[in-house]
Amino acid sequence: GAVVSQHPSWVICKSGTSVKIECRSLDFQATTMFWYRQFPKQSLMLMATSNEGSKATYEQGVEKDKFLINHASLTLSTLTVTSAHPEDSSFYICSAPPRTGHSPLHFGNGTRLTVT
Amino acid sequence: GQQVMQIPQYQHVQEGEDFTTYCNSSTTLSNIQWYKQRPGGHPVFLIQLVKSGEVKKQKRLTFQFGEAKKNSSLHITATQTTDVGTYFCAGPGSSNTGKLIFGQGTTLQVKP
Repeated sequence: GAVVSQHPSWVICKSGTSVKIECRSLDFQATTMFWYRQFPKQSLMLMATSNEGSKATYEQGVEKDKFLINHASLTLSTLTVTSAHPEDSSFYICSAPPRTGHSPLHFGNGTRLTVT
Repeated sequence: GQQVMQIPQYQHVQEGEDFTTYCNSSTTLSNIQWYKQRPGGHPVFLIQLVKSGEVKKQKRLTFQFGEAKKNSSLHITATQTTDVGTYFCAGPGSSNTGKLIFGQGTTLQVKP
């Protein structure tokens, strides 16, 4: 079945630095990928939708200059957390529908970000 | 905006007891999906319900979609320790881009 690979699985960084998270669709092409954030014991909150070849669509309240999203190809989307702060520490998960606009979603393994 | 609400937030049961989580949407859904997330893991797709009043079973798990397509439930019969995790329902966002709006999740603990 469809597989989404996310890297790294975990990262610890210092406050003020930037962190890049990669999400790849391994056996299908994804024109759309979704980035979710999950704080401890909370639900998944959609941050943004990345679109291959065009700008990402951000959800209300998500700073697009802080969370840079690039969908460089049909198999790769990246999320860069710029100037990270401790409050950005969270579990970031990417997902993609196997076919454009169709569900269910297939999730990457997630990236646990800790900002010290 | 569109909301998906899920109750209860937590449920502790003795192994062998049944468990049910309920999901309600503020809007009519074209479909509803259920995911399971183990501690430290990522959500794993369980099932999708599409038809009004639909009932689907996966071994000890029974999923229902309400007649009005605004609510759903997941029932586990005779829970086992392997059922531990957080169960999320999710419905499509209003923009039909494929994104999902997740409920708050129900975390199930099973005491052996």
